[in-house]
Amino acid sequence: DIQMTQSPPTLSASVGDRVTITCRASQSIRDNLAWYQQKPGKVPQLLIFKASNLEYDVPSRFSGSGSGTEFSLSISSLQTDDSATFYCQQYDSFPWTFGQGTKVEIK
Amino acid sequence: EVRLVESGGGLVRPGRSLTLSCVTSGFTFSDHDMSWFRQAPGKGLEWVAFISSKTFGEKREYAASVKGRFVISRDNSKGIAYLQMNRLKTDDTATYYCTKPDYYDASRGFWGQGTLLIVSS
Repeated sequence: DIQMTQSPPTLSASVGDRVTITCRASQSIRDNLAWYQQKPGKVPQLLIFKASNLEYDVPSRFSGSGSGTEFSLSISSLQTDDSATFYCQQYDSFPWTFGQGTKVEIK
Repeated sequence: EVRLVESGGGLVRPGRSLTLSCVTSGFTFSDHDMSWFRQAPGKGLEWVAFISSKTFGEKREYAASVKGRFVISRDNSKGIAYLQMNRLKTDDTATYYCTKPDYYDASRGFWGQGTLLIVSS
């Protein structure tokens, strides 16, 4: 199985800050990586697919990069609405696997 | 409009069985793959099971944690996906989400609102 290692587990930053979350796969997953945002009690929302493609209606302050085993999600200017937990997920091969999540808090 | 509505969750004793349903509408069900994910209270997301479309032979995949206990199936005439869960464990306690992966990219698509399963004695 492909292990997804996400860091940091928690992140506290101020409005307007640039923040970056990283995700490492235990083997190459090409660009078959997604990033989700989940707020408490809500269904996960897709932000990025194919490592760097912004899903419809997702604000442009979100961006993804990487391929192979190293990936990142960046928020260019953190907003209060971005307080949530973020997950990476590989869908290159079964079993599909997720990172452990990164909880983003606003200072 | 695509809709996925899960049902069948509830409280069940360890060792018992339960079947979740995902009633769909707004698309040609038989043409699309379906999948189940889950999230234990306060924990991260976990993929559970996948079934390919009728066109691709309804092939099934399972997470190791449920393989041999859970069975994913589909009724193409009714537009319903199922997750039959046997020999339930307390670790199976979670909100279960039905999803419809996009034809061109499996991470895209639609999620249902989820149904909560509690396995407890």
